Amino acid sequence: EDKVVQSPLSLVVHEGDTVTLNCSYEVTNFRSLLWYKQEKKAPTFLFMLTSSGIEKKSGRLSSILDKKELFSILNITATQTGDSAVYLCAVDSNYQLIWGAGTKLIIKP
Amino acid sequence: SAVISQKPSRDICQRGTSLTIQCQVDSQVTMMFWYRQQPGQSLTLIATANQGSEATYESGFVIDKFPISRPNLTFSTLTVSNMSPEDSSIYLCSVLGTGSPRGSYEQYFGPGTRLTVT
Repeated sequence: EDKVVQSPLSLVVHEGDTVTLNCSYEVTNFRSLLWYKQEKKAPTFLFMLTSSGIEKKSGRLSSILDKKELFSILNITATQTGDSAVYLCAVDSNYQLIWGAGTKLIIKP
Repeated sequence: SAVISQKPSRDICQRGTSLTIQCQVDSQVTMMFWYRQQPGQSLTLIATANQGSEATYESGFVIDKFPISRPNLTFSTLTVSNMSPEDSSIYLCSVLGTGSPRGSYEQYFGPGTRLTVT
C-alpha cells in the first residue's frame, strides 16, 4: 500500500531558527514529490521534485529529494512568524497524490 | 497556474439536508479533483470529476452521498447529501498544473468550502 510519512507531526521554534521537515515515502510508481503550505484552507504549492540531489530553492525555503533512500526534506532558514502553517508532502504515484499527515509548524516571536 | 474559485466559502447546515459546492476554473482542464479535509487531518481524495462521463470515486466514497457533476471543462459541482455532523470538513477542488518535462503534474487548489453540520 502506498504511503507517505511526515515527521515531526508538530514543531515549535523561535523566529530566526532554521527548521528541517521530513517526508519519507513508499509508493508503487513514483512520478514526483510535492510540498505544499497550508495556512487556512487551501494548500499552496511550494515545490515539485522529480530528480534526486537537485535542490529547489525559493527565498528562504529549499527542498531536496533522495530517490534512493525514498525521502525528501524541506528546509526553512531564518524563520518568520508568517511561516507558521501546516506543511504537507504528497507523492504523485500514477497521477494520484498520496498525502502525508502534515507537519504543523509554529514560529514563536 | 490556474485560478480556481469555489462557492460557497463556508456554510452551516442542518443534518439531513444537502449542500452543493461549485468549483470554477479560469481555463479548460481535463481533470478536476474533489478533496475533503476533516479537522486535524490531511487531505483525502473523494473523487476525480471527468468531463462527459461519471466521476471516479475513491474507496469509502459513493455517488449517492457525494454526487458530482462536470458539465464542461471549466466547472464542476460536488453535492454533500443527507448531511451528518461527521461531514463537517473543508471541501477542496483542485486541478492539474502544467507538466514537468518528465510528465508529472502539480495540483492547484481552490480556496475551499468550510462546511459545518449541526
